[in-house]
Amino acid sequence: DARVTQTPRHKVTEMGQEVTMRCQPILGHNTVFWYRQTMMQGLELLAYFRNRAPLDDSGMPKDRFSAEMPDATLATLKIQPSEPRDSAVYFCASGLAGAPDTQYFGPGTRLTVL
Amino acid sequence: SQQGEEDPQALSIQEGENATMNCSYKTSINNLQWYRQNSGRGLVHLILIRSNEREKHSGRLRVTLDTSKKSSSLLITASRAADTASYFCAASGNTPLVFGKGTRLSVIA
Repeated sequence: DARVTQTPRHKVTEMGQEVTMRCQPILGHNTVFWYRQTMMQGLELLAYFRNRAPLDDSGMPKDRFSAEMPDATLATLKIQPSEPRDSAVYFCASGLAGAPDTQYFGPGTRLTVL
Repeated sequence: SQQGEEDPQALSIQEGENATMNCSYKTSINNLQWYRQNSGRGLVHLILIRSNEREKHSGRLRVTLDTSKKSSSLLITASRAADTASYFCAASGNTPLVFGKGTRLSVIA
């Protein structure tokens, strides 16, 4: 059945290294969301795209985070340089614009920055 | 924002009991959605209730919506150990869904 896929599922890296997380949305979905989840902050919206165009990335630290959609089947979230405070689970979700705006989540990437 | 805020933060019940979780939001909405998250997994959509609906059922789930009070509730009847998870509400309006911090439900066998 159709589902959102994310790679890698787990990533351990050292402070200062570049991290790239990938997401394949459900085929036919035209909205993609990136979230970060921590115990303290809960689920935070980092950025979202509609028809591959970024609509809002105000939740993202601009100096180190970047999000792109090179094509309709791939969304990427990059952190450069990574910091220990970036340790979290990063989720990608996809959906169809318009009502209803149900989102379908991937399994997440658990990032640990040492 | 339309952020949903769940109450209580945590709930522990015995198997077979009913579990009720509440959600409040701030602005007008098109619909309100409930999601479930098992530990270590992504959120899964459970049920959506539109702004012109007052109650909706799906299996053992019952959702109510009171737009005058800007609140919703999720009732899980005859709970099972497998219902142990975090439950999130998200209000939908003119901006993307914004999720609260969820209610952590523990169902003890």
